[in-house]
Amino acid sequence: GQQLNQSPQSMFIQEGEDVSMNCTSSSIFNTWLWYKQDPGEGPVLLIALYKAGELTSNGRLTAQFGITRKDSFLNISASIPSDVGIYFCAGLDAGGTSYGKLTFGQGTILTVHP
Amino acid sequence: GAVVSQHPSRVICKSGTSVKIECRSLDFQATTMFWYRQFPKKSLMLMATSNEGSKATYEQGVEKDKFLINHASLTLSTLTVTSAHPEDSSFYICSASNTDTQYFGPGTRLTVL
Repeated sequence: GQQLNQSPQSMFIQEGEDVSMNCTSSSIFNTWLWYKQDPGEGPVLLIALYKAGELTSNGRLTAQFGITRKDSFLNISASIPSDVGIYFCAGLDAGGTSYGKLTFGQGTILTVHP
Repeated sequence: GAVVSQHPSRVICKSGTSVKIECRSLDFQATTMFWYRQFPKKSLMLMATSNEGSKATYEQGVEKDKFLINHASLTLSTLTVTSAHPEDSSFYICSASNTDTQYFGPGTRLTVL
């Protein structure tokens, strides 16, 4: 099925560095969501974006919903070891037969070295 | 945020047996729940959409007779893997929707021997 293009696929950074990842799509979404998944756990919602152009922060996390509604980025500032995990972007379908379904990016595996 | 639970968290079963996984939304009513399957270091693959009081909608390639889904109430959906085989071993995750966001359960690790 359709999948969002998420990059980078993996990142290895030092503690304290900032991180940036993004997702692009050929389709328009009305809602963009960013999740973090720890090993053996389900994804946890980090930030939800509902409006084109919206910039939202959650602590050290900042995400933006692109103005074209086809892209989004997530920034993590001053990374810490517990930021390690897989980050997924997801677009929420709002119409037609795909109503309510999420389309996921491939994920970004983040490793933070102390 | 909203809380979704899954039970069991891990299950090991013999080939040919059936396994039931429960997904509950603990603090909100979910008219729609979703079931996903995830392979190691891969993204989530949607298996089916479960609507309360109606039949589930399965994604292409997912066998509905093998993966039985029941959404009996606004807070409970179950996935039953029937006649499990080793290739069904995977991480199964459910999510519950409150219209504009999906909240995920902690997942169930199924191992079929």
